[in-house]
Amino acid sequence: DQQVKQNSPSLSVQEGRISILNCDYTNSMFDYFLWYKKYPAEGPTFLISISSIKDKNEDGRFTVFLNKSAKHLSLHIVPSQPGDSAVYFCAARSNAGKSTFGDGTTLTVKP
Amino acid sequence: GAGVSQSPRYKVAKRGQDVALRCDPISGHVSLFWYQQALGQGPEFLTYFQNEAQLDKSGLPSDRFFAERPEGSVSTLKIQRTQQEDSAVYLCASSYQRVADTQYFGPGTRLTVL
Repeated sequence: DQQVKQNSPSLSVQEGRISILNCDYTNSMFDYFLWYKKYPAEGPTFLISISSIKDKNEDGRFTVFLNKSAKHLSLHIVPSQPGDSAVYFCAARSNAGKSTFGDGTTLTVKP
Repeated sequence: GAGVSQSPRYKVAKRGQDVALRCDPISGHVSLFWYQQALGQGPEFLTYFQNEAQLDKSGLPSDRFFAERPEGSVSTLKIQRTQQEDSAVYLCASSYQRVADTQYFGPGTRLTVL
């Protein structure tokens, strides 16, 4: 049973528009959520995170929204840039500290 | 560079061979993690060290997998009698102190078992 799901394997958007990447989780013990970005042949790079006590966290062009009742979070990138093209992983963590990752969404931003 | 490094970057093994994968964490980082990433999937937790102590090995898929960090810095993930299902990218990550600190990932070792 996959506890963190990213249901869209891929997403394509036009440069300058908004990218919205979605993630659903099932374990109510998760209290911290992270987004990672991964380029080919590199390891994942931390992008942004949110604690379960918040519903929004913003960092420049990146905003993460958390809906605890729906067990859903999303990453908004605005405006999208071609350099944002990568695989984005959602991850969730409980007090135990071990991170559970989704399978990733490949974002393509077209010039 | 000051990032996490892993070697080798690519490893091809015949089924039944033993392999050893190395991770050099960021200097001074206390916590070290190993993940396995199968093709088309996200990283899956294997094991976690705090200094030289292996505090969690719940993700190791079988007793053929063994990890060590004897001096609290470099870590080695060893896989004995490799099987085809072991083919994956093995990622190492380190964090400054606690498990909850930001994890910095290495580029991974791609293992192919023939």
